[in-house]
Amino acid sequence: DTGVSQDPRHKITKRGQNVTFRCDPISEHNRLYWYRQTLGQGPEFLTYFQNEAQLEKSRLLSDRFSAERPKGSFSTLEIQRTEQGDSAMYLCASIKFGGGPSSYEQYFGPGTRLTVT
Amino acid sequence: AQKITQTQPGMFVQEKEAVTLDCTYDTSDQSYGLFWYKQPSSGEMIFLIYQGSYDEQNATEGRYSLNFQKARKSANLVISASQLGDSAMYFCAMREGERNTGGFKTIFGAGTRLFVKA
Repeated sequence: DTGVSQDPRHKITKRGQNVTFRCDPISEHNRLYWYRQTLGQGPEFLTYFQNEAQLEKSRLLSDRFSAERPKGSFSTLEIQRTEQGDSAMYLCASIKFGGGPSSYEQYFGPGTRLTVT
Repeated sequence: AQKITQTQPGMFVQEKEAVTLDCTYDTSDQSYGLFWYKQPSSGEMIFLIYQGSYDEQNATEGRYSLNFQKARKSANLVISASQLGDSAMYFCAMREGERNTGGFKTIFGAGTRLFVKA
């Protein structure tokens, strides 16, 4: 399978704990996006990377959230001191910027569902 | 500020009939891309169709077509010959800065849940 992968698929944690999610984009894709999706809503943009550079961050990304893409390949999203309001599906997507029409489509991973108890 | 509006929380369609899902958008950028995604109950986001703001022709992909009316800022999705497997959430999305930079963030609407009746 050469699609976008995310790990773990499900995470249950207690309020106040830290969690880290991983996203592996399609190998030749240079842009990687993180989104958060709550029940019954569309995905909300959190941040995106061009290679290893984080180019934009949403106001939704409070100081408890941090994302990295150290080598321009996989990315991690860490949430510190989790709160119940952090419960959501966290989606990762990637595109190949500069790849012509193929860059139009964002390829999404299956998501990580976080439940904070 | 950029915004996507989907005014239909739910839609019903009879199998084999066509259905139109509405989407309006707001942006001050001249270059943007419009997308439709399908999200079945399994949760994955499936890309359906893309329309660039500078494309003169309406996009089509199989049974999907995008009715792009730039002056009205609307990008409705038309699904022809509905199938039971089309039952899912459908999201309209927009990405600004498309032509020069490949786009920045993508914003999504709240979605429309489509129910296809046998």
